[in-house]
Amino acid sequence: NAGVMQNPRHLVRRRGQEARLRCSPMKGHSHVYWYRQLPEEGLKFMVYLQKENIIDESGMPKERFSAEFPKEGPSILRIQQVVRGDSAAYFCASSPRSLSYEQYFGPGTRLTVT
Amino acid sequence: SQQGEEDPQALSIQEGENATMNCSYKTSINNLQWYRQNSGRGLVHLILIRSNEREKHSGRLRVTLDTSKKSSSLLITASRAADTASYFCATDSAELIRGKLVFGAGTILRVKS
Repeated sequence: NAGVMQNPRHLVRRRGQEARLRCSPMKGHSHVYWYRQLPEEGLKFMVYLQKENIIDESGMPKERFSAEFPKEGPSILRIQQVVRGDSAAYFCASSPRSLSYEQYFGPGTRLTVT
Repeated sequence: SQQGEEDPQALSIQEGENATMNCSYKTSINNLQWYRQNSGRGLVHLILIRSNEREKHSGRLRVTLDTSKKSSSLLITASRAADTASYFCATDSAELIRGKLVFGAGTILRVKS
């Protein structure tokens, strides 16, 4: 059973470009969470999604950031018009339909904005 | 300040010694989880303790939870160099939408061989 997959692992974007981060949850998991980690800090919650629904987006910046988890395919975190402050590691986690509360994390995408 | 604050911020010990890390939080919780993160890598889930549990063991790990003090501790016994990592506690608050984890800033553990 493959773990949570994220791609790309490293992403470099110039200021003003768009960044798309992908997350494939573990098989059988229908809950996806995105977190952001700045250097030397803990993870900060961004958004919680189930298939085709955003459950909680209280951690998402109001502008430029969006997330989706379509019926088919991976969850996407999209950052438009990136700025240097967006440079961080972005982690996706998933948990099973039964909500066992343990979240399994992917390896992360490290975004660098130049 | 945020939920889930660990102390100490950094801990350096010799191989074979025990390491204890503490976590405090502010709201009532459904559960508390501990994760390990090696430098530049993803998070590895270590242990989950529910709000009605007081102590839990997993191999060399022992976690305690005191809901009256809103605190938890993670004990790693007989530490190894491979235990060198950052350790985070994360809480699933009973006052927020379930599933949203709130992380502390972490404890950096260095085990010297």
